[in-house]
Amino acid sequence: GEDVEQSLFLSVREGDSSVINCTYTDSSSTYLYWYKQEPGAGLQLLTYIFSNMDMKQDQRLTVLLNKKDKHLSLRIADTQTGDSAIYFCAERKTGANNLFFGTGTRLTVIP
Amino acid sequence: SQTIHQWPATLVQPVGSPLSLECTVEGTSNPNLYWYRQAAGRGLQLLFYSVGIGQISSEVPQNLSASRPQDRQFILSSKKLLLSDSGFYLCAWSVQQGRHEQYFGPGTRLTVT
Repeated sequence: GEDVEQSLFLSVREGDSSVINCTYTDSSSTYLYWYKQEPGAGLQLLTYIFSNMDMKQDQRLTVLLNKKDKHLSLRIADTQTGDSAIYFCAERKTGANNLFFGTGTRLTVIP
Repeated sequence: SQTIHQWPATLVQPVGSPLSLECTVEGTSNPNLYWYRQAAGRGLQLLFYSVGIGQISSEVPQNLSASRPQDRQFILSSKKLLLSDSGFYLCAWSVQQGRHEQYFGPGTRLTVT
């Protein structure tokens, strides 16, 4: 497809792991990103992964990249109520000056 | 360190009135600059981006225009607002080389009445 796709909603219980999935469009995209948006705020860059990597871990965050399937995921371990937000994946397509964002996944953490 | 500012934070304007939203970046030179609109708290729509002073690329035909009068200043304007212009407007910057990750401002909530 032409759009970066994400599920719209995800609910998890506090302390569980969250997995947010994304399907991107360009198999030659060099970098892929995860952003977090809290209510009424701008987007905050959480992490990124270079296309020659399969996995990247940063504290509670783990990014997995499957280039063959053009699938990106973000795992949040020990999810906390402060993790409730909208999460966007984005790709940098070859030759583009801008990023292409997914529709965002609203994560709700249930206490 | 780099910071990005947007103002105003919120704005309520009547239909047909003009609009000017401002974005400024500190702590970096010659950034790429972007304007996005987010409707109803959902996905981002890229409106304009700029790779240098006076260089504006428009992504979506619309009632809006953008200008970059200085290296680190990006302005979003309209001569006559429509109801459909309501939304959350986000400015972002990135470096011109390397990873191109974008850093976002706090946003402006525009309500057209």
